[in-house]
Amino acid sequence: GQQLNQSPQSMFIQEGEDVSMNCTSSSIFNTWLWYKQDPGEGPVLLIALYKAGELTSNGRLTAQFGITRKDSFLNISASIPSDVGIYFCAGQRRYGGSQGNLIFGKGTKLSVKP
Amino acid sequence: DTEVTQTPKHLVMGMTNKKSLKCEQHMGHRAMYWYKQKAKKPPELMFVYSYEKLSINESVPSRFSPECPNSSLLNLHLHALQPEDSALYLCASSQPRLAGGPGRETQYFGPGTRLLVL
Repeated sequence: GQQLNQSPQSMFIQEGEDVSMNCTSSSIFNTWLWYKQDPGEGPVLLIALYKAGELTSNGRLTAQFGITRKDSFLNISASIPSDVGIYFCAGQRRYGGSQGNLIFGKGTKLSVKP
Repeated sequence: DTEVTQTPKHLVMGMTNKKSLKCEQHMGHRAMYWYKQKAKKPPELMFVYSYEKLSINESVPSRFSPECPNSSLLNLHLHALQPEDSALYLCASSQPRLAGGPGRETQYFGPGTRLLVL
């Protein structure tokens, strides 16, 4: 199915570093969501964005809904070891009165620098 | 409370077995979803129930049979599965947006059932 362009695919972090990842699409979305998934667990919602230009924080996490509605970024400040995992962006559209299906990015895998 | 629960957490079954996966939420959500996730891939949508009625079936083989007995429960019945069906099966729920009305259909996921078909 359709997927978003999420980058980077993977990155290594050192404790204390800031981390940035983003998602882009060729078409617009009404909602952007960021999830984190640990191995063998379900995705956990981190931040939901509902308006173009919206900037929302959740602790050390900050995410923005791009003004064009075709992109979003997630920043993690002062990373800690428990930030490792896979981060998925997801876009959602509206079609009349029906619920919108999620379109997922391929994920960004955060690992600790050896 | 944004909790979606799933049982069992792990399941091993043979290709001739019949088993069921269960999902439950008590957030009053009226949309529930089944996803399949293979390793290192994003979740893939299988089924959507809205107000206990099947609204989306993403061309899933008939060996997967969903059921929504009430607004809090969602089952996935499995029969004659293949080894390639081994995956993490995720349930999610959201509040569906009424036609023309406001509402945020943000999906909350359960922890998943890790299925292995031998």
